[in-house]
Amino acid sequence: AQTVTQSQPEMSVQEAETVTLSCTYDTSESDYYLFWYKQPPSRQMILVIRQEAYKQQNATENRFSVNFQKAAKSFSLKISDSQLGDAAMYFCAACFNSGYALNFGKGTSLLVTP
Amino acid sequence: DTGVSQNPRHKITKRGQNVTFRCDPISEHNRLYWYRQTLGQGPEFLTYFQNEAQLEKSRLLSDRFSAERPKGSFSTLEIQRTEQGDSAMYLCASSSTKGVGETQYFGPGTRLLVL
Repeated sequence: AQTVTQSQPEMSVQEAETVTLSCTYDTSESDYYLFWYKQPPSRQMILVIRQEAYKQQNATENRFSVNFQKAAKSFSLKISDSQLGDAAMYFCAACFNSGYALNFGKGTSLLVTP
Repeated sequence: DTGVSQNPRHKITKRGQNVTFRCDPISEHNRLYWYRQTLGQGPEFLTYFQNEAQLEKSRLLSDRFSAERPKGSFSTLEIQRTEQGDSAMYLCASSSTKGVGETQYFGPGTRLLVL
């Protein structure tokens, strides 16, 4: 079975600090794509960052970066200099080569405190 | 580029009624996806289209569910004889057709409540 697991239901970070959200996945495929999506309360889901499994270099997007450990099947998201607007539900998702569907984790709710 | 749009945004219906949702993808995107998201869960894949062809359906898509994408533009998702368990957020997404793993762009969703 191809699964995505987020083991942290909730996380909290102070403004300007750094937080890391964890994600692990299970697949027997060698090529796949990994994503982090952000879903603010009552607002639509938006892409935060995307990583191709064949690329060793970790993706970065401004204050957002990933730590992709292919052997460990781990894909964590680091948010630096956290801002109040970062408060949201964060979903880790994977697209495996066997199909086009995104497989999502259950999400991590991120609270940012002043 | 106005993004993915979905209508209605909210729908309240009584058990046993039929409901239909509409999704308008980003204009140049040939792939369109439907997902269902229940409270406290991540979205779950229902089905996807490439142009007008429905290429994959999840086991979650029971016989009461039907999706169409005539002419490869907008898509509709119909639920017949709704049940309380159908209450959820229904999300639509679209992507280009460059290959597997292309970024999917999501709409705001339609929240369904079945009484």
